[in-house]
Amino acid sequence: GQNIDQPTEMTATEGAIVQINCTYQTSGFNGLFWYQQHAGEAPTFLSYNVLDGLEEKGRFSSFLSRSKGYSYLLLKELQMKDSASYLCAVMDSNYQLIWGAGTKLIIKP
Amino acid sequence: GAVVSQHPSRVICKSGTSVKIECRSLDFQATTMFWYRQFPKQSLMLMATSNEGSKATYEQGVEKDKFLINHASLTLSTLTVTSAHPEDSSFYICSAVTPATHTEAFFGQGTRLTVV
Repeated sequence: GQNIDQPTEMTATEGAIVQINCTYQTSGFNGLFWYQQHAGEAPTFLSYNVLDGLEEKGRFSSFLSRSKGYSYLLLKELQMKDSASYLCAVMDSNYQLIWGAGTKLIIKP
Repeated sequence: GAVVSQHPSRVICKSGTSVKIECRSLDFQATTMFWYRQFPKQSLMLMATSNEGSKATYEQGVEKDKFLINHASLTLSTLTVTSAHPEDSSFYICSAVTPATHTEAFFGQGTRLTVV
């Protein structure tokens, strides 16, 4: 079956760095996505990885290892507004997104 | 980036009535749109895949006669919740994938449906 695993909840301090991991097992692979979702709102696109390696975009970076079925989202210089759920999703061979349950990130002052 | 507009953002309806939710891609042609449902504190659950000009593909456990999907044009897909019941109350979200590269999925703003 298809499976996406990520931690349920993480806590970090304002100004610090946090890494949110995601492991996956899917039928085919056409890229891995990270989305940010604030409560009551639709997800917002953060990053897309289809090749191995690190993609950096401002304070956010995303890493992918296809051989290990592993990705992480790295958030630097955390701000209170970064408190949200972070969703990992993999696009399978049918171009459908398989979603993780999301990681709720709590930022403390 | 591409914009997907979803309307209405909130709707309250009486039990037994039907509600239509629209999803429009504003600046690109979306051959495929996806409809999700999200219950509180849970992740997105794919309900159906909507392909322009053909019947939608429903996920297991989703009643196609209850959740009617129409994708009549390359920029518009609609989800109609028929004979709504309180248990249908949820957050419904549509998304569209960029047709050329499938490298990004853009989401509508979501619709908060409350059935009373």
